[in-house]
Amino acid sequence: GENVEQHPSTLSVQEGDSAVIKCTYSDSASNYFPWYKQELGKGPQLIIDIRSNVGEKKDQRIAVTLNKTAKHFSLHITETQPEDSAVYFCAAQYSSASKIIFGSGTRLSIRP
Amino acid sequence: EPEVTQTPSHQVTQMGQEVILRCVPISNHLYFYWYRQILGQKVEFLVSFYNNEISEKSEIFDDQFSVERPDGSNFTLKIRSTKLEDSAMYFCASSEPLGRRGGTPHEQFFGPGTRLTVL
Repeated sequence: GENVEQHPSTLSVQEGDSAVIKCTYSDSASNYFPWYKQELGKGPQLIIDIRSNVGEKKDQRIAVTLNKTAKHFSLHITETQPEDSAVYFCAAQYSSASKIIFGSGTRLSIRP
Repeated sequence: EPEVTQTPSHQVTQMGQEVILRCVPISNHLYFYWYRQILGQKVEFLVSFYNNEISEKSEIFDDQFSVERPDGSNFTLKIRSTKLEDSAMYFCASSEPLGRRGGTPHEQFFGPGTRLTVL
């Protein structure tokens, strides 16, 4: 069935360093890969997404890469700041309109 | 900025009791969803709802669950006879086809969640 694996489950990096979170998906029919940030007491919020016809997308300090052949996708945060501390979820969907299949989440902590 | 709201933030109930979780989606949205997250586990899809009917549901969404849009603003999830394993955070989300200006079509906006504790 549909499944998204996410690693690591926790990640602690020094402020200013980079953070990388990796995911794999099982369903080759997935075409849309959003990333969500969840802060304490709030629901998940979309921060960046990538479609299957694109290998890489960047938005300021955040970038995502997709290897559709290997069914791998990754989130890269550069120049990390304290406000980047949160739980990050990768996800896969058939399209942006379909149900979201979430990864298990990564708790990112930024050390001052 | 418009946001999805959910009430209550925390609901405690006895096993076997009925609960109704309430959501107010963003006003011009047409698609509505419920997800849940058992402590320490993944966020799981429960059901999607469009045009006053269920468009998709997961195997979790059995006969004990139902959804309703009773008026033009609320979207509810009812659990008829709660079990211990229903204890979780329940998230409501909504979306609309065009997305925000320059944004992603069908981006799902999530509420802050309702923590359900079944004793």
